[in-house]
Amino acid sequence: AQRVTQPEKLLSVFKGAPVELKCNYSYSGSPELFWYVQYSRQRLQLLLRHISRESIKGFTADLNKGETSFHLKKPFAQEEDSAMYYCALLTGGGNKLTFGTGTQLKVEL
Amino acid sequence: NAGVTQTPKFQVLKTGQSMTLQCAQDMNHEYMSWYRQDPGMGLRLIHYSVGAGITDQGEVPNGYNVSRSTTEDFPLRLLSAAPSQTSVYFCASSYTGQVKNEQFFGPGTRLTVL
Repeated sequence: AQRVTQPEKLLSVFKGAPVELKCNYSYSGSPELFWYVQYSRQRLQLLLRHISRESIKGFTADLNKGETSFHLKKPFAQEEDSAMYYCALLTGGGNKLTFGTGTQLKVEL
Repeated sequence: NAGVTQTPKFQVLKTGQSMTLQCAQDMNHEYMSWYRQDPGMGLRLIHYSVGAGITDQGEVPNGYNVSRSTTEDFPLRLLSAAPSQTSVYFCASSYTGQVKNEQFFGPGTRLTVL
């Protein structure tokens, strides 16, 4: 069965420090992965998807099929990055998103 | 465009009561879905629809019914509320019949079942 694991419930870093939010997945098919973010008092929104291979707000994520990982990285954390981050895996023939349990990122001054 | 709207924002029910959570979108999205968000469990898919007249079960469908009579609306019905259904419910939609594309989320409905 498909599964998305985000091992950290809370990640606290100082402003300017590098950030890595971990995501591991289990899926027998060809994976398509996403990162969604929920800022305080805002709606859940797409941050990035691996097929786009893009950098959004300084964040990048590389799909590593060997390690079944899709970690989210940013070289220098900013205060406005504080939010809840969810990793998600597309399954069900492309009709279902399986979310991880989320990681709360707190960037301290 | 209003995007994805959900009503009500908050609701308190007693065990055994029924209610309908409303979801509407004005973006002509084919795909719509319902999730519940619980602490430590992330978002779990309840039901989804790839178009009007077509619905299917997600990960946690028990206790919930849906229908899709129009492209715009996708209501979620709780037939007999239970305390285990206390949660925050999110509706989402996307441009095509698959969720490969960006899903747009509503603001959520916070439901408490006593």
